[in-house]
Amino acid sequence: QVQLQESGPGLVKPSETLSLTCTVSGGSIRTYYWSWIRQAPGKGLEWIGYLYNSGNTNLNPSLKSRVTISEDTPKNQFSLKVTSVTAADTAVYYCARVHCSGTSCYSFGSWGQGTLVTVSS
Amino acid sequence: QSALTQPASVSGSPGQPITISCIGTSSDVGLFDYVSWYQQHPGKAPKLIIYDVTNRPSGVSNRFSGSKSGNTASLTISGLRAEDEAAYYCSSFTTSSTLVFGGGTKLTVL
Repeated sequence: QVQLQESGPGLVKPSETLSLTCTVSGGSIRTYYWSWIRQAPGKGLEWIGYLYNSGNTNLNPSLKSRVTISEDTPKNQFSLKVTSVTAADTAVYYCARVHCSGTSCYSFGSWGQGTLVTVSS
Repeated sequence: QSALTQPASVSGSPGQPITISCIGTSSDVGLFDYVSWYQQHPGKAPKLIIYDVTNRPSGVSNRFSGSKSGNTASLTISGLRAEDEAAYYCSSFTTSSTLVFGGGTKLTVL
């Protein structure tokens, strides 16, 4: 069974870059599609983007100009970078494996435990 | 992209059924059969309970069922139990090839 674990700084200063890594165990990163999702404190879920087919990405238009999602195949990891962060980027960040059924790959079947990132000086 | 619309809260008594609605548009829920539902207990990661409108992942109770009519998707929980008390989120694929979530619904078991 695939397991995911997010890691990275819990505190980032405004205007700086938020960087997180998701380590995948129990399966190859090349086998599945992956995603990042975040949840501001007390708020709902927000989809950040997909990583699929060896490095291709699809990103939330509202975040696209500030977000990069990439993979590190030898380490079986994928990462998230968000530039020019503000307090509005404070959230629990989840990495997730996309659940595929046939050609349908539009849900998230496995999730990491999430990591809280606070943007504050 | 705008979030899908869910009621902020619903409640029900043990053993009773409840339904949570998820209202989208003809660019997402109404166009694609790619609606998913997630259950989230406080402090925990979400759990997939329905995908592609009506399908349950392995291990998910058959008390959970999904449906869709037009631009509105629905999650029904039959035989409500105390452990069903949680937040529930819908999501849908969109014409922009993106994913959008609903604002979430807090279910209270009375």
